[in-house]
Amino acid sequence: GAVVSQHPSWVICKSGTSVKIECRSLDFQATTMFWYRQFPKQSLMLMATSNEGSKATYEQGVEKDKFLINHASLTLSTLTVTSAHPEDSSFYICSSLGLLAGGNYEQYFGPGTRLTVT
Amino acid sequence: QKEVEQDPGPLSVPEGAIVSLNCTYSNSAFQYFMWYRQYSRKGPELLMYTYSSGNKEDGRFTAQVDKSSKYISLFIRDSQPSDSATYLCAMSASNYGGSQGNLIFGKGTKLSVKP
Repeated sequence: GAVVSQHPSWVICKSGTSVKIECRSLDFQATTMFWYRQFPKQSLMLMATSNEGSKATYEQGVEKDKFLINHASLTLSTLTVTSAHPEDSSFYICSSLGLLAGGNYEQYFGPGTRLTVT
Repeated sequence: QKEVEQDPGPLSVPEGAIVSLNCTYSNSAFQYFMWYRQYSRKGPELLMYTYSSGNKEDGRFTAQVDKSSKYISLFIRDSQPSDSATYLCAMSASNYGGSQGNLIFGKGTKLSVKP
């Protein structure tokens, strides 16, 4: 399958600071990438859909001014958690949308970034 | 009622056992059904992808979809300790879980296969 990387894999920051998470599609160009959040023992919840060259589409209840998404190239999307608070501590996972032979799509997931806000 | 229901377990089985994992859903628009495996502190990895009803087999894994009952299953034969992970079902109304039909995940079932 395709390779998606995330950086950093783990970050600890102080309350009130901002954190940037990078998601890279390493072996194919992704016009669409997704950002998910996963709390312990909970399901993955879609936060936003990121399209290259346009504004991200946020899911209901996700603050777009707090979670800034930039998809500046076909291989890189970034999520910036601004003014982080302890309740933002979670596992953030990105995915890239790839078109398979036969016309089906598949989401390739990154390894995730664990954010801890103290 | 949540759109996708999945028993979180944990489920513990001996090596070699047949494992049955299940999800139920309420949205009849779902057409695409997936099973992902997620190891601890890692991203999900696609195991099986099924469109509409029916069975699909890949090695030791079999996915079943019963749209009339809104019920999907994943069977693992001859389970191995390396199968120990959390298994998430996911489904979508479109052929990619994008803005026209998001991927809706179950909570995941934590499986432990004991040697």
